[in-house]
Amino acid sequence: QKEVEQNSGPLSVPEGAIASLNCTYSDRGSQSFFWYRQYSGKSPELIMSIYSNGDKEDGRFTAQLNKASQYVSLLIRDSQPSDSATYLCAVDNYGQNFVFGPGTRLSVLP
Amino acid sequence: DAMVIQNPRYQVTQFGKPVTLSCSQTLNHNVMYWYQQKSSQAPKLLFHYYDKDFNNEADTPDNFQSRRPNTSFCFLDIRSPGLGDAAMYLCATSREPTYQRGYNEQFFGPGTRLTVL
Repeated sequence: QKEVEQNSGPLSVPEGAIASLNCTYSDRGSQSFFWYRQYSGKSPELIMSIYSNGDKEDGRFTAQLNKASQYVSLLIRDSQPSDSATYLCAVDNYGQNFVFGPGTRLSVLP
Repeated sequence: DAMVIQNPRYQVTQFGKPVTLSCSQTLNHNVMYWYQQKSSQAPKLLFHYYDKDFNNEADTPDNFQSRRPNTSFCFLDIRSPGLGDAAMYLCATSREPTYQRGYNEQFFGPGTRLTVL
């Protein structure tokens, strides 16, 4: 069973803090990893894609990938109340399709 | 702006009455996907088109069908909606299929929320 797992949360952080979101996956052959943000009642919005081990930074967001540990994370620096949303991790399934994790609800407290 | 458009945004239908949801894209992407998302759940892939090639997920009910008459448009047909089909239906596109690293980012439309009475 190919799975993507995330803590469902809610993860609560104070405004200005670093939010750390984690995702593990079971398929060692996965090559592509994505983070999406989804506000309540809205569609998923792509934040970041990462394909190689290491860190990838885009503004306040940093994605980290460790294929040996089958682990991908998203760090949000200087968290803002507008970052409050559900964050979905998606992993390609050997090129067949994407598997989405269940999502982590993030709440940034003013 | 290049985008993925879904119509209607909200659809109400009666139990058993066929309904069609529409998706169009101006990104000129080769792949179009349909997902079903129920409350507090992850999006669930129903099927996708790579150009004209249709790929159905094994567990997608026969009640769900899709058409892609051209590159820009894709339709989701629900032949006999049941109460359990009430959900958000998301259309997404990608430039290339998921095995093409660097070209497989999926971009979602705003979704159609389906209510079944």
